[in-house]
Amino acid sequence: GAVVSQHPSRVICKSGTSVKIECRSLDFQATTMFWYRQFPKQSLMLMATSNEGSKATYEQGVEKDKFLINHASLTLSTLTVTSAHPEDSSFYICSASEEWGTDTQYFGPGTRLTVL
Amino acid sequence: SQQGEEDPQALSIQEGENATMNCSYKTSINNLQWYRQNSGRGLVHLILIRSNEREKHSGRLRVTLDTSKKSSSLLITASRAADTASYFCATDAGANNLFFGTGTRLTVIP
Repeated sequence: GAVVSQHPSRVICKSGTSVKIECRSLDFQATTMFWYRQFPKQSLMLMATSNEGSKATYEQGVEKDKFLINHASLTLSTLTVTSAHPEDSSFYICSASEEWGTDTQYFGPGTRLTVL
Repeated sequence: SQQGEEDPQALSIQEGENATMNCSYKTSINNLQWYRQNSGRGLVHLILIRSNEREKHSGRLRVTLDTSKKSSSLLITASRAADTASYFCATDAGANNLFFGTGTRLTVIP
């Protein structure tokens, strides 16, 4: 089956620094990728939808200048948390689908971000 | 890293009927969550049931959890055409890592 990887799986950084998280589709081309975050013991929250070659669509309440998303190729999307603060500490997970409009999504293993 | 398995993979019913989807998983969990996805859109959280709960209701949704069988079911009563979507279960086994299944595609025929 299709595989989605994320890197790093875990990152600890100092407040004020920027952190980049990569999401890769390993054996298929992902037209669309989704970025989610999850707070402890809460559900997944969609942050943005990323389409290859175009600007990401952010959900209401998600700061686009804070969470920079780049989907430069069909196999890679990146999420950069800029000037991270402790409240950005969370679990970030991406998913990818092969074609726009299809419902089959493949999820990455997630990235645990801790901002000190 | 997907440990949930939904059953059936696809379900087609008439409007007004009930739809039942099942989810099985492999390890102990803290909670299990159900999500919905409309075509081409991101996931929307529907309901979360904790490991010490057996049943939960939200509107027309009813979720059950059987930790001894490591399974959960999602029941949508009096279905509507607008319920047409894919439904995913996700298990939280601790450390807040969610594991998703491949989903059940529900089609409600008007």
